[in-house]
Amino acid sequence: GAGVSQSPRYKVAKRGQDVALRCDPISGHVSLFWYQQALGQGPEFLTYFQNEAQLDKSGLPSDRFFAERPEGSVSTLKIQRTQQEDSAVYLCASSAHSSEETQYFGPGTRLLVL
Amino acid sequence: GENVEQHPSTLSVQEGDSAVIKCTYSDSASNYFPWYKQELGKRPQLIIDIRSNVGEKKDQRIAVTLNKTAKHFSLHITETQPEDSAVYFCAASLSGYSTLTFGKGTMLLVSP
Repeated sequence: GAGVSQSPRYKVAKRGQDVALRCDPISGHVSLFWYQQALGQGPEFLTYFQNEAQLDKSGLPSDRFFAERPEGSVSTLKIQRTQQEDSAVYLCASSAHSSEETQYFGPGTRLLVL
Repeated sequence: GENVEQHPSTLSVQEGDSAVIKCTYSDSASNYFPWYKQELGKRPQLIIDIRSNVGEKKDQRIAVTLNKTAKHFSLHITETQPEDSAVYFCAASLSGYSTLTFGKGTMLLVSP
């Protein structure tokens, strides 16, 4: 079946612009995660949803970052007033349910802020 | 919170040799340890995982070992092939908390 998909795959933004990144998890997957991966580093946790509930947003680096999953399926990560340090790959992952540990990753959105 | 250290950062081997990547974790409550392979520009893909109730798991040329007392786990790849070249990440998650904490990655280069 279809895996996790993300769009856009690449995004170039001018500093100060707002961006919205989309994640389509595997159909029926309850849990959804957002990670940020800087160049040459491992993914770092941003936020976690179980269905539509955002259970953990402790990894969001500032109040410019906002995520939602209003219907418990598609999720959007929004970054307001982008800054150069926001440049990274943003990865989305999903897992079947809250007690299933295996996470399946999307291809990521590469964000470059100029 | 959890902290995962991974070594080495780069590893070069000849085709057919074995490769070993090691990770340590800080929180003894962690109980799930996956390994992901990420090729350049691609998504991380799960290659093997282990839970804290077992000490070793093997899948063809790949094996993972876990030492809970020492809080470290290792990935072993035997008979390496050029297509094994990629960045490998270890990760850990706490019991009842599914968020993964990743190591910084190991770039494995297998030369023909």
